[in-house]
Amino acid sequence: NAGVTQTPKFRVLKTGQSMTLLCAQDMNHEYMYWYRQDPGMGLRLIHYSVGEGTTAKGEVPDGYNVSRLKKQNFLLGLESAAPSQTSVYFCASSSSGTSVETQYFGPGTRLLVL
Amino acid sequence: AQSVAQPEDQVNVAEGNPLTVKCTYSVSGNPYLFWYVQYPNRGLQFLLKYITGDNLVKGSYGFEAEFNKSQTSFHLKKPSALVSDSALYFCAVRLYSSASKIIFGSGTRLSIRP
Repeated sequence: NAGVTQTPKFRVLKTGQSMTLLCAQDMNHEYMYWYRQDPGMGLRLIHYSVGEGTTAKGEVPDGYNVSRLKKQNFLLGLESAAPSQTSVYFCASSSSGTSVETQYFGPGTRLLVL
Repeated sequence: AQSVAQPEDQVNVAEGNPLTVKCTYSVSGNPYLFWYVQYPNRGLQFLLKYITGDNLVKGSYGFEAEFNKSQTSFHLKKPSALVSDSALYFCAVRLYSSASKIIFGSGTRLSIRP
């Protein structure tokens, strides 16, 4: 049981390049989330999904797209990377979206946009 | 507006001494409160949560937190600190049964000196 895994662990991009971050969970969770973590700002929700085939915008969705084609995978795409997207990205999952539910986090992807 | 504040960027404690990491919140309704811990180069790990009932909540690794409704606080505590407790701690609040309605504090770095 690997929990939540993220690929890649680290990536350097040039401004304007595109990339996809992959999140996978083996806990059969319905809900999945993408956050970004910036110094002094905690975690901010980018997009989330309440089930296979669904996605929704979070707090800071601009410049990102997501897809949930399979229940266990949640992809985060950057179509045209900008230096402001330099951050650490965390994926999380939970069995449901209720307020009492604990989220399980992946180890993170460190992205540097030059 | 819903918000979480962690007023201390860093807390320094000697090993064996009690520790407190502060968290205050502002919500219009009954909050569900969480503490997460992040070790270097790792994702967030769930420590404990308050949903309802007893104001003193016990969690992992000997941590506990006290919910104080009148002071709108949810401080994290441990009677005797260990060097291995050194990490980044995040308080979070959720209000409604909505996957997007979770707010994280900015984080407090806890440093335990031998």
